[in-house]
Amino acid sequence: KNEVEQSPQNLTAQEGEFITINCSYSVGISALHWLQQHPGGGIVSLFMLSSGKKKHGRLIATINIQEKHSSLHITASHPRDSAVYICAVRSVLDSNYQLIWGAGTKLIIKP
Amino acid sequence: DGGITQSPKYLFRKEGQNVTLSCEQNLNHDAMYWYRQDPGQGLRLIYYSQIVNDFQKGDIAEGYSVSREKKESFPLTVTSAQKNPTAFYLCASRVSSYNEQFFGPGTRLTVL
Repeated sequence: KNEVEQSPQNLTAQEGEFITINCSYSVGISALHWLQQHPGGGIVSLFMLSSGKKKHGRLIATINIQEKHSSLHITASHPRDSAVYICAVRSVLDSNYQLIWGAGTKLIIKP
Repeated sequence: DGGITQSPKYLFRKEGQNVTLSCEQNLNHDAMYWYRQDPGQGLRLIYYSQIVNDFQKGDIAEGYSVSREKKESFPLTVTSAQKNPTAFYLCASRVSSYNEQFFGPGTRLTVL
């Protein structure tokens, strides 16, 4: 079993829909990251969380440390949100700033 | 503009040849990383370097080599010993004492 599991693997939705992508992990963490990978391959960091909730524009990330679960929400989704969304965590046992990566969720937003 | 550059974006090589992928950053970051990405899988760490002239193996270092002679540069050589080198390779860097990694645009290597 992978230490970081994302669901769903693939998600197709219509423009305007509210999107939720989930990330569950099995290790104690000091931080959780959400990143976005566009079709060209480049990766950009969206959020880094250790507790609570963060919001940036139409993106919202939440984390429940007790349940070892995080969600990424996209409100009023748009075709330009189509990308792979990746969850990664840093274990509390890590001293080298290495991340444990989820496999990603491929999101397609249709106009 | 500060950032990470990787070149080339696409690279084709014949089986049995060594190939070196370039990664340069002008962010003044101490740490640099090389990842491999295969379809349907999470990123896997090949090598990382916390400071100049020092680097450590990641989870899948076999068949790869790196050097860190300058803070700005962390080239990755894919050797002929790597059994399945065709993949997308991503370089990243991180400032000391901070979690966030910044990624380059990646190099897609195809071995024919």
